[in-house]
Amino acid sequence: AQKVTQAQTEISVVEKEDVTLDCVYETRDTTYYLFWYKQPPSGELVFLIRRNSFDEQNEISGRYSWNFQKSTSSFNFTITASQVVDSAVYFCALSAGGAIQGAQKLVFGQGTRLTINP
Amino acid sequence: GAVVSQHPSWVICKSGTSVKIECRSLDFQATTMFWYRQFPKQSLMLMATSNEGSKATYEQGVEKDKFLINHASLTLSTLTVTSAHPEDSSFYICSAGGGRTEAFFGQGTRLTVV
Repeated sequence: AQKVTQAQTEISVVEKEDVTLDCVYETRDTTYYLFWYKQPPSGELVFLIRRNSFDEQNEISGRYSWNFQKSTSSFNFTITASQVVDSAVYFCALSAGGAIQGAQKLVFGQGTRLTINP
Repeated sequence: GAVVSQHPSWVICKSGTSVKIECRSLDFQATTMFWYRQFPKQSLMLMATSNEGSKATYEQGVEKDKFLINHASLTLSTLTVTSAHPEDSSFYICSAGGGRTEAFFGQGTRLTVV
């Protein structure tokens, strides 16, 4: 069965610091997808990134970057020069839909509550 | 990306009453939709898979008679919480697939049962 572990329950840093959110996953599927979502206090899920299992290239988008390492089953997320607006709960998720539903069905990690202090 | 609309955004109901939550795919057809539940400060847990024209598939531990799911069209799935009780107070969020590679989430519904 698929499983996602986000060991960091809460992280608090001062603005402008860099912060890394860890994500470790388990799956027996050879083809799978990994996601990161941001959940602000309003509750909606904001899509940040999708990565498939065949693409291990790291990705950078502005202040955000992701490090995908299949060897350690990790998909870590780094925010550089953090800002107060980055404060939210961040979820890592793994596709659990198998061959038919693919990434339509997701398994979520426990989430990391990130607080950026001014 | 595709748009999934969920309604209402929040609802307060009395204990013992039923509440219906709608999930619509606005610009694509979705034969399958998913319903998740999130208790305060917890993760999102899949409740059920809603299948157009057939019965929903419920995850272990989810009462199908309490959480009624209807997926009567390719753009609409509804979740009805029957005889709601305070312990059903939660954040409910739906998603619809955009092909095998992604899912689009609704805005979520915050249910409070008093």
